[in-house]
Amino acid sequence: KQEVTQIPAALSVPEGENLVLNCSFTDSAIYNLQWFRQDPGKGLTSLLLIQSSQREQTSGRLNASLDKSSGRSTLYIAASQPGDSATYLCAVISGGGADGLTFGKGTHLIIQP
Amino acid sequence: DAGVIQSPRHEVTEMGQEVTLRCKPISGHDYLFWYRQTMMRGLELLIYFNNNVPIDDSGMPEDRFSAKMPNASFSTLKIQPSEPRDSAVYFCASSFIKAGPSREETQYFGPGTRLLVL
Repeated sequence: KQEVTQIPAALSVPEGENLVLNCSFTDSAIYNLQWFRQDPGKGLTSLLLIQSSQREQTSGRLNASLDKSSGRSTLYIAASQPGDSATYLCAVISGGGADGLTFGKGTHLIIQP
Repeated sequence: DAGVIQSPRHEVTEMGQEVTLRCKPISGHDYLFWYRQTMMRGLELLIYFNNNVPIDDSGMPEDRFSAKMPNASFSTLKIQPSEPRDSAVYFCASSFIKAGPSREETQYFGPGTRLLVL
C-alpha cells in the first residue's frame, strides 16, 4: 500500500527566504505526483503536477522536482511571501489501476512578515 | 466554469441522523472522487467513479456510507446512521484524463462540506 510522508510537518521562515518542502513515497510505481495548497477552512488548489516521465515542473516562484527511483519529490518556493502561508500537500496516483490520490499529511508553512 | 460545487458547505446533525452530501463535478470530467479529511488521518480516498460507475469503494469505512452517481453531473455521499466519529471535511473532486502514454490528470477539488455529528 502506497504511503506518502511529508517533512517537515510545520515550518516558519522570514519573508524573502527560499525554502524546500519534502515529500517521499514508498511505492515508486506512480503515474504522477501533484502538489496542492490548502488555506485554512478552504478546499485544495492544485499547484503543480509532475507526470511520471518528467523530472520537474515550474510555475512562477514554484518549482517541483520528482525522483521516482528514490521515491522523492521536493517543492521549492523562491522569495517567500506572507501570502504563501498555507498547508502544502503532496499526493500521488499509484500504479495498479488505482486512480485516487494518496496524500501526505502536509507541511504547515508560515511566512513571517 | 464554476468548478466543483459541493453542498451543503456546513452540516451539523445529531448522532443517528441521515446525512446526504452533494457534488456537481466540472462539466466534461469523467472521473469523480470523494475524499475525507480529518486531523488524525489526513485526506483519504473514500470512493471514485468513472463515467458514473463506481470503480473502487475500498476506502468507504463502513456500510453506513454509500455513494451514488446517477448522472454525469451529480453525485451523493450518504451516511446513515451518522456517528460522532464521522465528523470531518468531505471533499469531492473531478478530473479528466487526457489520452497518452502517461496519465495527464489534474484533480480539481470542491470547497468541501464540513460535517459535525453531535
